[in-house]
Amino acid sequence: EVQLVESGGAVVQTGGSLRLSCVASGFIFDDYVMHWVRQAPGKGLEWVSLINWDAGNTYYADSVKGRFTISRDNSKNSLYLQMNSLRPEDTAFYYCAKDRGTGRGYFDSWGKGTLVTVSS
Amino acid sequence: EIVLTQSPGTLSVTPGERATLSCRASQSVSSNLAWYQQRPGQAPRLLIYAASTRATGIPARFSGSGSGTQFTLTISSLQSEDFAVYFCQQYNTWPPGAFGPGTKVDI
Repeated sequence: EVQLVESGGAVVQTGGSLRLSCVASGFIFDDYVMHWVRQAPGKGLEWVSLINWDAGNTYYADSVKGRFTISRDNSKNSLYLQMNSLRPEDTAFYYCAKDRGTGRGYFDSWGKGTLVTVSS
Repeated sequence: EIVLTQSPGTLSVTPGERATLSCRASQSVSSNLAWYQQRPGQAPRLLIYAASTRATGIPARFSGSGSGTQFTLTISSLQSEDFAVYFCQQYNTWPPGAFGPGTKVDI
């Protein structure tokens, strides 16, 4: 069974930094593209970032480009999101999501999410 | 940038009834469209991909149709556990594209 477990969410002040982690199990982690998707409380879903299997390619939503960095450690089956220069509009649940394949672009497994709150 | 719109915003139905949800894309996404279900307090769950293919473990009462710019998710006979928010997402572009704003299905 695929499991994705996020951690690292917290309350942080505007301008601060935070690092989210996601530990994966139940599948061959380094076979898959991985994503971060976020959801402001009570709002819709927003794709944030993706990383390919060997971390050779990364992509970001325009809203986080230059502030967030995605990375992975295949030896630890782990995905990360380093978030710098945080803004109130970054307040959201952050979900780690597994790509359906090697870059299909949709998400067949999700973690339960971790809440990031940016206070002004 | 491709924009997805979903209608209606809220759909009020009775258990056992049929529900029809729509998703429209601002330009063609071919059949590269997925549907997700999100129950209160839970993460989204993949229901449908490639516009009409059910994901693993998804009951047959869920079906998807459409291509190009117009898509439909149909729930043939609503069960209590189906009351949730449903999002569509296009993946015709790379990196993955937008989600729709969602349709809430409630009693």
